[in-house]
Amino acid sequence: EAGVTQFPSHSVIEKGQTVTLRCDPISGHDNLYWYRRVMGKEIKFLLHFVKESKQDESGMPNNRFLAERTGGTYSTLKVQPAELEDSGVYFCASSLLGYGYTFGSGTRLTVV
Amino acid sequence: KQEVTQIPAALSVPEGENLVLNCSFTDSAIYNLQWFRQDPGKGLTSLLLIQSSQREQTSGRLNASLDKSSGRSTLYIAASQPGDSATYLCAVTPLMKAAGNKLTFGGGTRVLVKP
Repeated sequence: EAGVTQFPSHSVIEKGQTVTLRCDPISGHDNLYWYRRVMGKEIKFLLHFVKESKQDESGMPNNRFLAERTGGTYSTLKVQPAELEDSGVYFCASSLLGYGYTFGSGTRLTVV
Repeated sequence: KQEVTQIPAALSVPEGENLVLNCSFTDSAIYNLQWFRQDPGKGLTSLLLIQSSQREQTSGRLNASLDKSSGRSTLYIAASQPGDSATYLCAVTPLMKAAGNKLTFGGGTRVLVKP
């Protein structure tokens, strides 16, 4: 079984640019989560999809962040425009039943 | 609001010594608690999951205990090896369905096992 795949693994962009992160969950996993870790802080929840619907987006920091999950398969997280404080590692996780998580390797985003 | 704390933030031990990692949480209304391992540049690997009704879980050299009433969990790693060097994270899932399945993480303990 393939794991959760995230790409790119690293992204360096300038402040004000747009970046799109992608997550491919394990096939058949209805639940998909985005988390991020900024420097020196804990990993924080961003949002939760059940299939294509946003179940909980309470962790999204502001309206510069837009997440989509077309057709309930892969998900994208777009940051537009990126700010310096958006730098960090963005993790995606998927789950079949909602409690056993498989995490991807993360995307390290650096905004300069 | 749930808060998860891990102490110490970093730990260095000689090979062969037992590791004791601590995790505390402020709200005892949890569904389960998980311990993860993260290697540099890698994702999170789930090590042990303890349901709120359980007191401990074991897997090989790893043993995790849970005392929900006092808001504490401890991860024991017996006879540490250099390959155990990593960051260890604990995370809790809230009990209330309305709170969703989102994990609340601690800051992690960075472990170095010296040969």
